[in-house]
Amino acid sequence: KQEVTQIPAALSVPEGENLVLNCSFTDSAIYNLQWFRQDPGKGLTSLLLIQSSQREQTSGRLNASLDKSSGRSTLYIAASQPGDSATYLCVGAGNNRKLIWGLGTSLAVNP
Amino acid sequence: DGGITQSPKYLFRKEGQNVTLSCEQNLNHDAMYWYRQDPGQGLRLIYYSQIVNDFQKGDIAEGYSVSREKKESFPLTVTSAQKNPTAFYLCASSSTRKAHEQYFGPGTRLTVT
Repeated sequence: KQEVTQIPAALSVPEGENLVLNCSFTDSAIYNLQWFRQDPGKGLTSLLLIQSSQREQTSGRLNASLDKSSGRSTLYIAASQPGDSATYLCVGAGNNRKLIWGLGTSLAVNP
Repeated sequence: DGGITQSPKYLFRKEGQNVTLSCEQNLNHDAMYWYRQDPGQGLRLIYYSQIVNDFQKGDIAEGYSVSREKKESFPLTVTSAQKNPTAFYLCASSSTRKAHEQYFGPGTRLTVT
């Protein structure tokens, strides 16, 4: 049974710092892995999607990697800004396309 | 602009009353989904629909009902049978070919007292 775990649950950093959010999954037979951002009381915004055949995806200051053999994905945020403060959710899609959600990492970037 | 809308943003109801949450999309997606989000838990799938006039139960369908009379609309009714209805409800849609790439609405916060 696929499980997705995100560590840490919460993170507080000063503005400008580079940071890494971690996501681990138990079943390496993953179809793809996606990172979402959620602001308090709001819906989800897709940040990056990595297909199982890919190793990483980049968008601006964000870089997401996928290592199926170790069951890990990381979201790297460069030069963090207060506007990056949000909850970041990792979700894995199994080969049956069912989505398995992590609980998220709550990020606070302090000015 | 293409997207998904949910209304209302906040909803308050008394215990024992049914309440319907609206979800509309103009992305021309065939598939639509309802999720529930609670603190300390990942998103949980309530119902999904892959085509008009058809829908399937998700992981926590008890106490909920849906309809899919139009491609653009997928309303969710929270019935009085739902034991813990207070939660944040998220609607999503996708193409059927890319069911794992879902687009989300802004959510509705339901509070039942």
